[in-house]
Amino acid sequence: DARVTQTPRHKVTEMGQEVTMRCQPILGHNTVFWYRQTMMQGLELLAYFRNRAPLDDSGMPKDRFSAEMPDATLATLKIQPSEPRDSAVYFCASGLGLAGGRGQFFGPGTRLTVL
Amino acid sequence: QQPVQSPQAVILREGEDAVINCSSSKALYSVHWYRQKHGEAPVFLMILLKGGEQKGHDKISASFNEKKQQSSLYLTASQLSYSGTYFCGTERNAGGTSYGKLTFGQGTILTVHP
Repeated sequence: DARVTQTPRHKVTEMGQEVTMRCQPILGHNTVFWYRQTMMQGLELLAYFRNRAPLDDSGMPKDRFSAEMPDATLATLKIQPSEPRDSAVYFCASGLGLAGGRGQFFGPGTRLTVL
Repeated sequence: QQPVQSPQAVILREGEDAVINCSSSKALYSVHWYRQKHGEAPVFLMILLKGGEQKGHDKISASFNEKKQQSSLYLTASQLSYSGTYFCGTERNAGGTSYGKLTFGQGTILTVHP
């Protein structure tokens, strides 16, 4: 049963600490997306990759967020330093083609709480 | 640029039908529909790529009016399992191709009671 995996599932940290979230996309999917979901802002696209190359990261606060895809089986989202307003659920999704022309498949999410 | 969904919430009894609308101010290449249950990830339902295209998924179907930049999701004979938040995700049209990313609506909360 192919699915996107994310670690950690939950993370509680203090303001100023570094947070790294990891995602393993579905094998064979060539597009990977990072989303952030909050009650106020809804589901926001932070960054996405196609064939491991970053295509758009305009949704990310550049000074503290970074996203990378070191290989086809791993995508990372890093926040340094973290702030309380970063508290949210972060989803990774993968798909085929631009915007996942056959749909995007979401991982279970990382629930981040920054104190 | 976020698509607008309506209604914001709908309450049904099992067996009743519902329609959820998604409207964009920009020309669209495609529309995606997802369902998210509380505490879970969004789950892909369907994608509509062509103007006027209708797709079906069990008793859930959708249409896409490219000229009006609108899509509608139809849920017929609703079941308890249909409860959740429904999101449309729109992909902008860049001269016949896509920009390659989705912008999600704010969601429609659907509650089905026995």
